[in-house]
Amino acid sequence: GAVVSQHPSWVICKSGTSVKIECRSLDFQATTMFWYRQFPKQSLMLMATSNEGSKATYEQGVEKDKFLINHASLTLSTLTVTSAHPEDSSFYICQGQTNYGYTFGSGTRLTVV
Amino acid sequence: AQTVTQSQPEMSVQEAETVTLSCTYDTSENNYYLFWYKQPPSRQMILVIRQEAYKQQNATENRFSVNFQKAAKSFSLKISDSQLGDTAMYFCAFMKLGTNAGKSTFGDGTTLTVKP
Repeated sequence: GAVVSQHPSWVICKSGTSVKIECRSLDFQATTMFWYRQFPKQSLMLMATSNEGSKATYEQGVEKDKFLINHASLTLSTLTVTSAHPEDSSFYICQGQTNYGYTFGSGTRLTVV
Repeated sequence: AQTVTQSQPEMSVQEAETVTLSCTYDTSENNYYLFWYKQPPSRQMILVIRQEAYKQQNATENRFSVNFQKAAKSFSLKISDSQLGDTAMYFCAFMKLGTNAGKSTFGDGTTLTVKP
């Protein structure tokens, strides 16, 4: 089946630094990738929708300058958390659109110290 | 905008028994998908079952089945012969089709514990 490889699975960074999270579609071309954020024991909240070759569409309340999304190819979408702060600590997960449905990456646990 | 409500934050069931998780949703859309996802402690989101709104027949996947009531906007998940590996958080999700297709709205989740 369709696989989305998400890296890193976990990362600890210092406050003020930037972190990049990658999602690669291994056996399909993901024209669209959705990025979600999940706090512990809470639901997934859609942050943005990225489409290959165009600007991402951000949900209301999501800072586009803090959460930079790039979808430069059909197999790679990246989320960069810029100038990270402790309140950005969360679980980030991507979801790729395939011809047959939608598949999730394995998620990235970000801790900002 | 769509909303998804899961009214049971936590549930437990004895191994081998049956449990039903509730989900209701609100939408003005006519074409959409509904999903149940399982999220074990690893936090990997696993698709359990999918229901197309245009289909009247309830979806079934082995021990998992749904009761889809479109008019009532209800979409419950039944797990039969519960197994210890079913212990996880379960999310109900709504996905609209057409414009902005693919964007999902999730419920708050139900934590299911299967007891030996």
